[in-house]
This record gives sequence, C-alpha cells and structure tokens, in this order.
Amino acid sequence: DTGVSQDPRHKITKRGQNVTFRCDPISEHNRLYWYRQTLGQGPEFLTYFQNEAQLEKSRLLSDRFSAERPKGSFSTLEIQRTEQGDSAMYLCASSFRSGRYNEQFFGPGTRLTVL
Amino acid sequence: DAKTTQPPSMDCAEGRAANLPCNHSTISGNEYVYWYRQIHSQGPQYIIHGLKNNETNEMASLIITEDRKSSTLILPHATLRDTAVYYCIVRVASAGGTSYGKLTFGQGTILTVHP
Repeated sequence: DTGVSQDPRHKITKRGQNVTFRCDPISEHNRLYWYRQTLGQGPEFLTYFQNEAQLEKSRLLSDRFSAERPKGSFSTLEIQRTEQGDSAMYLCASSFRSGRYNEQFFGPGTRLTVL
Repeated sequence: DAKTTQPPSMDCAEGRAANLPCNHSTISGNEYVYWYRQIHSQGPQYIIHGLKNNETNEMASLIITEDRKSSTLILPHATLRDTAVYYCIVRVASAGGTSYGKLTFGQGTILTVHP
C-alpha cells in the first residue's frame, strides 16, 4: 500500500511529557498538511509544507507545537509539555502540486490521549 | 474561503439514492465546491469537486445550482459502507485553476445508511 502512513496510531502520555508523531506521505507528493480533530468536530488545519518549506501555520499551532519536514519527504509533529487539551486525532495529508485538482490524501491519523 | 451549511444528520435506506445538501451562499466566482467523507476511525477521503457544472465520477454526482449558492452530493445507490460524515468545503482556486493549501472543514453531515 503506497498511501499516507502515520506512526504511531495511538499514543497515551502523561501531562507535561513531550510526544512526536511521524507522517510518511505518498512518495511523489510535494505538499504535506497536518490537521487536528477533536471528538465530534471536523478536522482543523495546523500547518502546511511544500517540499521542505513550511508555508503556513494556523493560530492553533502554539509555541509548544513544532513541525518539520527536513528533506521534503516525511514530516514530524512534536508537542512539548503536553496538556489534556491536546488530546485529539492528529491527521496528516499529502498532495501533488500539479496533481488532479490538488486532491488531498489523508493518513489514518494518530490518536493522542493526554492523562 | 466561503462558509458552508449542512444538515447535521440524514438517513438513507440501502440501495436508495442519498442526496446530501450544502448551502454556500457567499461563494465567490473563483471558489470550487469540494466533498470529502470520513468513515469512522479513518482519515477523510476525497469524493468529488466542481466549479459550476454538474460533475459525476465513480463515487458520486455533484449538482451545483445555477447561482452556485448551493449544491447536492448524490450517492446513487447507497450501501452500508457509505455510512460516514460528509463534508462540503468551498475552497479558493489559484489563478492557474487549481486549488491549493488548507481544507476548512465544518461539522459535516452524518449519513447513516440503514439495511
């Protein structure tokens, strides 16, 4: 399967700990997006990369959040000093700039639970 | 991006057509209508998009009113596997005619297909 993959699928952590999630996009896709989804809500945009450049960040992305895409391939999202309000599903998506109307392909998500 | 309004939930009998409405009365001339769906515990999946003409693909049909202020997603023969949250998204297009950047999700419509 050559779809978007995310690791881990589930993460349980204690408040105050740091966590890091990984996203591997579809190999030829040069755009990568992170979204967060809480229960009963639609996904909310966090940040967007084109190749290795981070081009847009949401106000939701506080100073405790940092995202990287060092070689324009996989991406990591780190949350420092986690809070209970960070509990959510973190979704990654990728697309190809010149692809079919920039359709975004989503991964299965990483579910974070902060105790 | 323009705001969309969808009913919170709808039911449909298996084998019948499911018609999901979406209002986007503030849509601009360069904004496309996109539909995504999210099956439980999965990431969102692209269904279809359109600008002003009706569109059809292997998954669904999209009917956009002449004034573009509303649209309807049609699943012609709904199955139990179509039970999901359906999101209508209006999204600005670049001057080149392709969309890019983030998707702004609302709360969507929960479609339940009954046997």
